[in-house]
Amino acid sequence: AQKVTQAQTEISVVEKEDVTLDCVYETRDTTYYLFWYKQPPSGELVFLIRRNSFDEQNEISGRYSWNFQKSTSSFNFTITASQVVDSAVYFCALSERNSGNTPLVFGKGTRLSVIA
Amino acid sequence: DAGVIQSPRHEVTEMGQEVTLRCKPISGHDYLFWYRQTMMRGLELLIYFNNNVPIDDSGMPEDRFSAKMPNASFSTLKIQPSEPRDSAVYFCASSFSGLAEGTDTQYFGPGTRLTVL
Repeated sequence: AQKVTQAQTEISVVEKEDVTLDCVYETRDTTYYLFWYKQPPSGELVFLIRRNSFDEQNEISGRYSWNFQKSTSSFNFTITASQVVDSAVYFCALSERNSGNTPLVFGKGTRLSVIA
Repeated sequence: DAGVIQSPRHEVTEMGQEVTLRCKPISGHDYLFWYRQTMMRGLELLIYFNNNVPIDDSGMPEDRFSAKMPNASFSTLKIQPSEPRDSAVYFCASSFSGLAEGTDTQYFGPGTRLTVL
């Protein structure tokens, strides 16, 4: 069975601090995909990144970066120089790749509050 | 391009009433997913379709819930009769099964916030 664990329920930082959101996953499959979604106070779910299990390269997009380590089954998300607009709930998710697209299994989310 | 469209955005109803939630996926997407978000259980899958055919409905909580996808551009999730414990945010998402890397990414609608009194 698949499982995603986001141990940090809530994090509060001061603006311009760096913050890392942890994500640990469990799966028996060798081919899978990892995702991060952002849910701002307005409630929608915004796609941030998708990572293939065969691609362990870290990725950077502006102030966002992701560290994927298969050895520890982790896919952590770092926001550099946080801003108030980063305040949201962030979800890590996992899907398998079988013969077609499969549903996402979500972690419980981490609520990030960035204080000005 | 329009994203996933859901209606209504908010629904308040009384226990026992029928509720119908609607979703229009992104044009060209062949997968459609219904998820429910609650404080207690987080985000969980209810049902998903491929080419309008239900693939897995094991997440549907009970017979009061039903979902249909009569065509590629429309799906409904119906609750009859509704109960207070059905109060949640219901999300619809769609994706495409193309061969190119990343096409399976699910894009979500804005959600329907359902309150059953």
